[in-house]
Amino acid sequence: NAGVTQTPKFQVLKTGQSMTLQCAQDMNHNSMYWYRQDPGMGLRLIYYSASEGTTDKGEVPNGYNVSRLNKREFSLRLESAAPSQTSVYFCASRGTVISNQPQHFGDGTRLSIL
Amino acid sequence: QKEVEQDPGPLSVPEGAIVSLNCTYSNSAFQYFMWYRQYSRKGPELLMYTYSSGNKEDGRFTAQVDKSSKYISLFIRDSQPSDSATYLCAMSARDGSSNTGKLIFGQGTTLQVKP
Repeated sequence: NAGVTQTPKFQVLKTGQSMTLQCAQDMNHNSMYWYRQDPGMGLRLIYYSASEGTTDKGEVPNGYNVSRLNKREFSLRLESAAPSQTSVYFCASRGTVISNQPQHFGDGTRLSIL
Repeated sequence: QKEVEQDPGPLSVPEGAIVSLNCTYSNSAFQYFMWYRQYSRKGPELLMYTYSSGNKEDGRFTAQVDKSSKYISLFIRDSQPSDSATYLCAMSARDGSSNTGKLIFGQGTTLQVKP
């Protein structure tokens, strides 16, 4: 019963490097989300995918791209990492588009950019 | 002004105390209200989920929503050291027919329950 799985758990990058964060869910959920969590800021939505084949910007999308690879997987890419992107990244998923089910979260990827 | 305000604490209480955690919000369109618990180095886990105004109880936890005051609360009775965590309030509005479920989070309140 894995739920939402994120890889890697930790990563250190140099400024300008690129990286893809992976997220997979095994709950047959339609909607998936990427958040970042910074001290004193709570969680802020970066991008989301309401259903397979669609993606939309959230509150803080600049510097990121996403791909909804299939129903299970939703990846987040940093094309040219910047120190301001040092954060903890969380992926979440939610049931059907019609229902109002809450989101379920993975355990995060801790990303440090030097 | 942020859409959702939550006192970050930290809040420290003795074991057995009643804990009250609160959030205020400004968007009257919010209809769905959640409390998540987050242990150190883990992801948020859903604790309580309520729709519109009213109370919901689950064991030692009670969630209250007062839409007229734009104020939500989480009460923890007989608090335990295992309740030590960060508590995040979150809320969402129905986005027309698309219902994307986007959440707006408070900053989180760090709670420590001392034995």
